[in-house]
Amino acid sequence: AQSVTQLGSHVSVSEGALVLLRCNYSSSVPPYLFWYVQYPNQGLQLLLKYTTGATLVKGINGFEAEFKKSETSFHLTKPSAHMSDAAEYFCAVSGNTGNQFYFGTGTSLTVIP
Amino acid sequence: GAVVSQHPSWVICKSGTSVKIECRSLDFQATTMFWYRQFPKQSLMLMATSNEGSKATYEQGVEKDKFLINHASLTLSTLTVTSAHPEDSSFYICSARVRGTRDREGYGYTFGSGTRLTVV
Repeated sequence: AQSVTQLGSHVSVSEGALVLLRCNYSSSVPPYLFWYVQYPNQGLQLLLKYTTGATLVKGINGFEAEFKKSETSFHLTKPSAHMSDAAEYFCAVSGNTGNQFYFGTGTSLTVIP
Repeated sequence: GAVVSQHPSWVICKSGTSVKIECRSLDFQATTMFWYRQFPKQSLMLMATSNEGSKATYEQGVEKDKFLINHASLTLSTLTVTSAHPEDSSFYICSARVRGTRDREGYGYTFGSGTRLTVV
């Protein structure tokens, strides 16, 4: 069984500040982990994913995430927030067969000018 | 890259009518597609898994006779909301599982742009 917990449904940061969105997962098999971004009334866009290999994963728009097995975490970070980063962010987990795919409840990021 | 086209992007229909939503994989073959429903300010909830040439697998609590899924080809899956009611108003998103092109890349998922359904 797999699940994802995103701590903090709303996060506000100042423009230029560090962005940290938290994600913890539970998985009975080696997980594949994903971060997606959703803008209003749009579908989901993949930011980055971890499957195997290097635990620090770099994605688009300056985002990165680190897979920490000991902490069962996959937190998303960006060194400097931009106004265009304001959106809803979803963490997701699947098994390596891809047969099941579970989303967290999402974190709404607000960037304050 | 893998692109999934979802149509229409928004639709308004009268209560009691049926609405069909299409999801097409444009540059790859999708043997498996997924349909999600998203209520305002909530996460995506998987409704069903659609497999080409076979019956869809529905998640618990999803009425298969109300949400008809057809996956007749490797590039097209459709979701029909039958006898729609206002409570069916929601954002529906499809996705397809895509195998990575590099070794050990594993599977990823690409999503359609979503369909905003409003039933009046």
